[in-house]
Amino acid sequence: DQQVKQNSPSLSVQEGRISILNCDYTNSMFDYFLWYKKYPAEGPTFLISISSIKDKNEDGRFTVFLNKSAKHLSLHIVPSQPGDSAVYFCAASSLNAGNNRKLIWGLGTSLAVNP
Amino acid sequence: DTAVSQTPKYLVTQMGNDKSIKCEQNLGHDTMYWYKQDSKKFLKIMFSYNNKELIINETVPNRFSPKSPDKAHLNLHINSLELGDSAVYFCASSRSGRPNSPLHFGNGTRLTVT
Repeated sequence: DQQVKQNSPSLSVQEGRISILNCDYTNSMFDYFLWYKKYPAEGPTFLISISSIKDKNEDGRFTVFLNKSAKHLSLHIVPSQPGDSAVYFCAASSLNAGNNRKLIWGLGTSLAVNP
Repeated sequence: DTAVSQTPKYLVTQMGNDKSIKCEQNLGHDTMYWYKQDSKKFLKIMFSYNNKELIINETVPNRFSPKSPDKAHLNLHINSLELGDSAVYFCASSRSGRPNSPLHFGNGTRLTVT
């Protein structure tokens, strides 16, 4: 039972255009959401996060939007650059019964930005 | 000056063998993790240690035993390797107490069991 879903396994965008990566979740207890980027043969690297008390967080070309009522978040990259080509993971965080944080990951969306 | 380093990068071994993967972080973090990414690219936590103490232990076979000699190291020992253990294993670290403290990952160890 996947609590975090990234329904698009891949996305192709032209350089300079906007890339929109989507993520849906089912657990209303999630209170932090994070996006990670992963290049081949490397580990995921943190990109941007958002708390559940916000609906938008922006960092340079990257903006994450959160719609709590729809249990949906999206990552916008604008303008997209060829170096953005990578796999993007959505992850959600909540406190478990032992008061420890646990991240639940989506399966990732492979973004290809074409020159 | 690699932040999270894990060795080896590739590991090819036969069924039934015992192998270890080492992980070290120099970020001063107090929490370390082992993740497994299977053939379906699903990234799933296996273990989490905080200050050398096990705090998360997901449903992982007993053949997998993490060892944390100190806060900067979390090694993974696997006994009696099986074909299904073939995957990429990622070590990660973070600072506890902050919900948005991101994980810092190593570059992974690709384990192939033949």
